[in-house]
Amino acid sequence: GQQLNQSPQSMFIQEGEDVSMNCTSSSIFNTWLWYKQDPGEGPVLLIALYKAGELTSNGRLTAQFGITRKDSFLNISASIPSDVGIYFCAGQGETSGSRLTFGEGTQLTVNP
Amino acid sequence: DSGVTQTPKHLITATGQRVTLRCSPRSGDLSVYWYQQSLDQGLQFLIQYYNGEERAKGNILERFSAQQFPDLHSELNLSSLELGDSALYFCASSRDPTNEKLFFGSGTQLSVL
Repeated sequence: GQQLNQSPQSMFIQEGEDVSMNCTSSSIFNTWLWYKQDPGEGPVLLIALYKAGELTSNGRLTAQFGITRKDSFLNISASIPSDVGIYFCAGQGETSGSRLTFGEGTQLTVNP
Repeated sequence: DSGVTQTPKHLITATGQRVTLRCSPRSGDLSVYWYQQSLDQGLQFLIQYYNGEERAKGNILERFSAQQFPDLHSELNLSSLELGDSALYFCASSRDPTNEKLFFGSGTQLSVL
């Protein structure tokens, strides 16, 4: 089946730093999504991307749909303590209505 | 608040037992998904229902089963529990079966002792 490789697995940064994480796939995806999971909660949708090359922002978060359609990137600028959590990428394949495949997640820790 | 309600929040049981996890989707959402989250395996898709019918099946064990009722709530039944079934189980919902935007509940933490 489809698999996503998400990196890095974890990040430890200082407040105010910028963060970058990415997902790659061996398959082409039609849709890329980024979710954030706070401790003790379910994942929450941050950004959805629908076209190759698309760049979308949500506040300090910016995500891009890779041109090859096999990767996506998430950047967080000027990190703050509440950015702590697990960030998941998810992709939806070419088959109409195919289910989402999730990456393994990036655990982000922000030191004040 | 995502609008997806899961109960119970925590469940502690013994090996060999059977448990039922419950999920109420967001108002108006017809599709329900179940995911398992283990420490070492991320979010694993188990099964999807749409308007009462099974829509897609993932890596769901034969000891596990699910259903969606006429009022659209869903239940995930886990039987003959093993230590390795300990995990966080999430329910998610969406408006239609192909909608990629999932809304997740807060999960049920299952501990099998």
